[in-house]
Amino acid sequence: SAVISQKPSRDICQRGTSLTIQCQVDSQVTMMFWYRQQPGQSLTLIATANQGSEATYESGFVIDKFPISRPNLTFSTLTVSNMSPEDSSIYLCSGGHLNTEAFFGQGTRLTVV
Amino acid sequence: GNSVTQMEGPVTLSEEAFLTINCTYTATGYPSLFWYVQYPGEGLQLLLKATKADDKGSNKGFEATYRKETTSFHLEKGSVQVSDSAVYFCALSEKGGGSNYKLTFGKGTLLTVNP
Repeated sequence: SAVISQKPSRDICQRGTSLTIQCQVDSQVTMMFWYRQQPGQSLTLIATANQGSEATYESGFVIDKFPISRPNLTFSTLTVSNMSPEDSSIYLCSGGHLNTEAFFGQGTRLTVV
Repeated sequence: GNSVTQMEGPVTLSEEAFLTINCTYTATGYPSLFWYVQYPGEGLQLLLKATKADDKGSNKGFEATYRKETTSFHLEKGSVQVSDSAVYFCALSEKGGGSNYKLTFGKGTLLTVNP
C-alpha cells in the first residue's frame, strides 16, 4: 500500500493568484495522477504526472493553467494558475503501481474568492 | 469514451437495512471495476474491485459482481451500520500499460445510516 499526503488541505485564494499543491507518497510509486472534484460532481482526471518529463493532460486541461511537476517517484506538485471562482474544487493526488490499485490523498479543498 | 453512471443520492437507511447502490458503465474494452469509499473528512479508499466478468469483489460485508452482459457492478450490503455512512464512488479503469490507473468515476452516492 501507499500513504499519500497532500498540502495544503484547504485554502482560500484571491482570483488571479496561483496555488501550488504538494503531493508526497511514503513509497516509490510507478504512476501519479491529479484529479479534480467540482462541487456536486464526480472526480475528473486532470493529468498523469510523469517523472522527469512533461505531464500528460486530459482533454480540457492545459499545461499553462495546471502546470505539474514530478521530480522523483515519491513527489509531485500541481499548480492552479490565474485562478477564478470556477476553479473552486477539491484537487486530489493519486498514485500506485501498474499491478495494484490506486491510492488517494485526502484532497485539497480550494475556494477562490 | 468511457463513462460510469451510478445511482443518485442521497440514500438514507436505518441500521441493519439492506443496501444497494446501482452502477452501470460504458467502456470500449474490458475494464476493471472498482468501488471507492470516502468517509467524512478522509480521502478515497478502495472498498472492492473486480477485474473480469463474473468476478465478485467483497470487503467489510460489501459485495459487487462484475456483470458484463448488463454492464453493471452494483454494490450491496446485507446489513448496514452507522459507520458505513460515507460517499461511495463506482469507477472503472482500462487495462494495459500506463492507463491502469486512469480512473473514470461515477458522481458518487452519499449514504447516511441512522441508528
